[in-house]
Amino acid sequence: EVQLVESGGGLVQPGGSLRLSCAASGFTFSSYAMHWVRQAPGKGLEWVSSISTSGGSTYYADSVKGRFTISRDNSKNTLYLQVNSLRAEDTAVYYCAKDLLEWNYGMDVWGQGTTVTVSS
Amino acid sequence: SSELTQDPAVSVALGQTVRITCQGDSLRSYYASWYQQKPGQAPVLVIYGKDDRPSGIPDRFSGSSSGNTASLTITGAQAEDEADYYCHSRDISGNPLYVFGTGTKVTVL
Repeated sequence: EVQLVESGGGLVQPGGSLRLSCAASGFTFSSYAMHWVRQAPGKGLEWVSSISTSGGSTYYADSVKGRFTISRDNSKNTLYLQVNSLRAEDTAVYYCAKDLLEWNYGMDVWGQGTTVTVSS
Repeated sequence: SSELTQDPAVSVALGQTVRITCQGDSLRSYYASWYQQKPGQAPVLVIYGKDDRPSGIPDRFSGSSSGNTASLTITGAQAEDEADYYCHSRDISGNPLYVFGTGTKVTVL
């Protein structure tokens, strides 16, 4: 079964950091670009970051550029998102998602999400 | 960056047809994909590419596109189709890489 399982969320104070992880199984992880998407409480979906198959190309939304870092370990079938300098507006459910095909056709597998709450 | 605009809410009678639209400049260059999200659940891809459905998605879901508008049609809506629906595509500027639509709440009456 194709599956993505996120972990690492939690309650953190403004300015704090977390490392989110996404464990992949059931498919050849190294063959697919991967994405992080977040959803603030009661709001819509927001693309956060993407990474190529090798990890050599990374992309970020302007709202997180310079604060978040996406990475992957293909030997461990795991995607990461290092989130630093957290702000209240970063409070959201963070989903990892698998690219369907060649960046242009959407995200066909999603994890259940991990919740990040930024509050003092 | 581009924007993808959707109607906030639509309703449809059980068994009838509903069309959800998504407007944005990026849709002139890129396909839209569509996601269904039920409360407390992760999004599910229902349409991608020109009009393709992932395995397991009922054929009552279909997609189309014309100019700067993409559409998701549910033909013969079922109670379980009540959900939020989001369109999504590459951004025409390349930065940001992707953009999501504002979302449409579909209510099945």
